[in-house]
Amino acid sequence: GAVVSQHPSRVICKSGTSVKIECRSLDFQATTMFWYRQFPKKSLMLMATSNEGSKATYEQGVEKDKFLINHASLTLSTLTVTSAHPEDSSFYICSAPGAQDTGELFFGEGSRLTVL
Amino acid sequence: AQSVTQPDIHITVSEGASLELRCNYSYGATPYLFWYVQSPGQGLQLLLKYFSGDTLVQGIKGFEAEFKRSQSSFNLRKPSVHWSDAAEYFCAVYRNDMRFGAGTRLTVKP
Repeated sequence: GAVVSQHPSRVICKSGTSVKIECRSLDFQATTMFWYRQFPKKSLMLMATSNEGSKATYEQGVEKDKFLINHASLTLSTLTVTSAHPEDSSFYICSAPGAQDTGELFFGEGSRLTVL
Repeated sequence: AQSVTQPDIHITVSEGASLELRCNYSYGATPYLFWYVQSPGQGLQLLLKYFSGDTLVQGIKGFEAEFKRSQSSFNLRKPSVHWSDAAEYFCAVYRNDMRFGAGTRLTVKP
């Protein structure tokens, strides 16, 4: 099946710094990728839809200047958490639809961000 | 409003007992339906999915789910739970994007 890889799996940073998380589709092309955020013991909340070659679409309440998304190629989307603060600490998960538009998403392993 | 509801936040069952996790959705038309499982600190693994056709779908690890249009439900079942099934289970629906229910945490007693 299709594989989506995220990197890094864990990152710890100081408050005020920026952190970049990469999401790659390894064996297929993804014109669209989805970024989710998951708080401890909570569900996944869709943050934004990343579109190759165009601007991302953000969900209501998600700060686009805080969470910068770039989808520069058909296999790579990046999420940059800018000027991170402790409240940005979370588990971030990306996903991409499979080759056929069946709605099935393939998920990355997730990235645990801890902001000190 | 479109929504996915998992009424049970936490369920505890004994090993070997049967399991049913509930999921209800509220969408204008039948969306694509999924069940995912997540172990602590891990990503999501797809258990099964429903697009159309037979309303009883079989998944991995002995799980199955039944789609009931009249009840807008897609409940997950397993006849005999194993200790390794302890995890968080998410029901999800897809129209233009994937939306998740709040999740049900499954604890398995020895």
